[in-house]
Amino acid sequence: QQPVQSPQAVILREGEDAVINCSSSKALYSVHWYRQKHGEAPVFLMILLKGGEQKGHDKISASFNEKKQQSSLYLTASQLSYSGTYFCGTLRNSGGSNYKLTFGKGTLLTVNP
Amino acid sequence: SQTIHQWPATLVQPVGSPLSLECTVEGTSNPNLYWYRQAAGRGLQLLFYSVGIGQISSEVPQNLSASRPQDRQFILSSKKLLLSDSGFYLCAWSGGTGDYEQYFGPGTRLTVT
Repeated sequence: QQPVQSPQAVILREGEDAVINCSSSKALYSVHWYRQKHGEAPVFLMILLKGGEQKGHDKISASFNEKKQQSSLYLTASQLSYSGTYFCGTLRNSGGSNYKLTFGKGTLLTVNP
Repeated sequence: SQTIHQWPATLVQPVGSPLSLECTVEGTSNPNLYWYRQAAGRGLQLLFYSVGIGQISSEVPQNLSASRPQDRQFILSSKKLLLSDSGFYLCAWSGGTGDYEQYFGPGTRLTVT
């Protein structure tokens, strides 16, 4: 069950803020966020765990609402380097000790000067 | 520190030809390994994952196969490529326990002609 990301695309001017949302219809173990620049591999940004613990990037923040199975990524005072496609991944137990990460379709973020 | 290698970086193959893509991980033991495919402008589709040597789980029925002959080696193969196999192939690894954040290799861009 693929998580749903919104918006699909957003265009900002440098210094503006943006929020990217990720929601799932299934119970989640954790939510992961990745950024992919054009032609490159995705890069891990952060992970949000049940109970509110957050690990990863120190300049980008995120939240995880366990009851609603939703996560939001907050990009404040955006920089040109923030441009790229952002993917959320939702981790679920797929049986026994196997955990599977399912990615959303991505949000294309463009930051202009 | 851990590093993940993939080769080749780019590949152009005719329809019906075989395929072999290789992925190796350094600096960690007993990782979970993953193969993803990304069509142009699209999201990440999980193809195979492995939790140990010889243990392969297939996510999507297709003409591709995967093998894990060594702890830190993951191979993606096909006997006969289809046009629809074109895409950006990404290998990733995660710890076998813990938070399961994934780290991606540089990818192989495959064009089937």
